[in-house]
Amino acid sequence: GAVVSQHPSWVICKSGTSVKIECRSLDFQATTMFWYRQFPKQSLMLMATSNEGSKATYEQGVEKDKFLINHASLTLSTLTVTSAHPEDSSFYICSARGGADDYGYTFGSGTRLTVV
Amino acid sequence: QKEVEQDPGPLSVPEGAIVSLNCTYSNSAFQYFMWYRQYSRKGPELLMYTYSSGNKEDGRFTAQVDKSSKYISLFIRDSQPSDSATYLCAIDAGNNRKLIWGLGTSLAVNP
Repeated sequence: GAVVSQHPSWVICKSGTSVKIECRSLDFQATTMFWYRQFPKQSLMLMATSNEGSKATYEQGVEKDKFLINHASLTLSTLTVTSAHPEDSSFYICSARGGADDYGYTFGSGTRLTVV
Repeated sequence: QKEVEQDPGPLSVPEGAIVSLNCTYSNSAFQYFMWYRQYSRKGPELLMYTYSSGNKEDGRFTAQVDKSSKYISLFIRDSQPSDSATYLCAIDAGNNRKLIWGLGTSLAVNP
């Protein structure tokens, strides 16, 4: 089946630094990728939708200058949290669509970001 | 009214029990319904998806959609401790193929 690899699985960074999270579709081309944020005991909150070769579409309330998304190829999307602050600490998950099963919406394993 | 409502639980059952998980939704135009399982600190994993009304079975899992009641269910037969996870319902809203998520129900299956 479709596999999405997300790295790193966890990261701790200092306040003010930037962190890049990678999301790769391993055995299919992902025309669309989604980035989510999840707080403890809460559901997934869609942050942005990225399409290969075009700008990402951000959800209302999500700062696009803070959460930079790049989807430069059909197998790779990156999320960069710029000038991270403790309130950015969260679980970030990517999802890709484009595998053989169109309703796979395959998810990465998530990245736990802690900003200290 | 939220587009999708799901009781967060927690739900605790003995091993071997039949588990029933449910969501309600508000928009009768919704057509694609999904159930995901999420283990702690992991990404969600697709369990089942159904189109329109009816049942779909896969092993110990059965997904059911009742469009007249705007009610979707996931049944787990012969539940196992390894089924302990959070179960999220999700609906494809059809608008840019974004998913609308339920809150998730935390399930614990006790040996």
